[in-house]
Amino acid sequence: ELKVEQNPLFLSMQEGKNYTIYCNYSTTSDRLYWYRQDPGKSLESLFVLLSNGAVKQEGRLMASLDTKARLSTLHITAAVHDLSATYFCAVVAPSDKLIFGTGTRLQVFP
Amino acid sequence: EPEVTQTPSHQVTQMGQEVILRCVPISNHLYFYWYRQILGQKVEFLVSFYNNEISEKSEIFDDQFSVERPDGSNFTLKIRSTKLEDSAMYFCASSLQGPVNSGYTFGSGTRLTVV
Repeated sequence: ELKVEQNPLFLSMQEGKNYTIYCNYSTTSDRLYWYRQDPGKSLESLFVLLSNGAVKQEGRLMASLDTKARLSTLHITAAVHDLSATYFCAVVAPSDKLIFGTGTRLQVFP
Repeated sequence: EPEVTQTPSHQVTQMGQEVILRCVPISNHLYFYWYRQILGQKVEFLVSFYNNEISEKSEIFDDQFSVERPDGSNFTLKIRSTKLEDSAMYFCASSLQGPVNSGYTFGSGTRLTVV
């Protein structure tokens, strides 16, 4: 059964710093998503990664995918307070359902 | 941009009562899903629905749960006899061709509180 693990679970970082969130998954998948969730809110799609070596960037966030290592990263550059949220990776299982990671709660402080 | 609409946004119910959570998927989408998220935890798959029948269901989706697409536009999740542990945020999602080919759109969620 497909398992998805994220680390760290909690990340407290100062504004202006860089950091990376890691997402490991246990079996082959065709597609990986990154979502952002603000407290009490829905899931906002950030990135969809489709193939090995895929890299996507939006503002201060950059996501990459290594299908051979079954690893995706979400890199945060020069963090700002507005990025404070919980970030989830989710992998498409063979049956088309999404398997979510445990989430990384990011808190950016001045 | 088309949206998936969920109602109500928040429902409080007594243990043992039946609840129906409603979703209006994007109109031309063919695949429908329910997920739940217990407070502070990860999002978990409940059920997928295609061509008017369940495609897959998780272990969570026991006999207390059922789904229906009664009129071609709404997609409902019914919990027959709610338990305290059913308290969670429930998300509906829809997809045009399945998440491998076309991605997901999530609704804004229904927060269910069982007291």
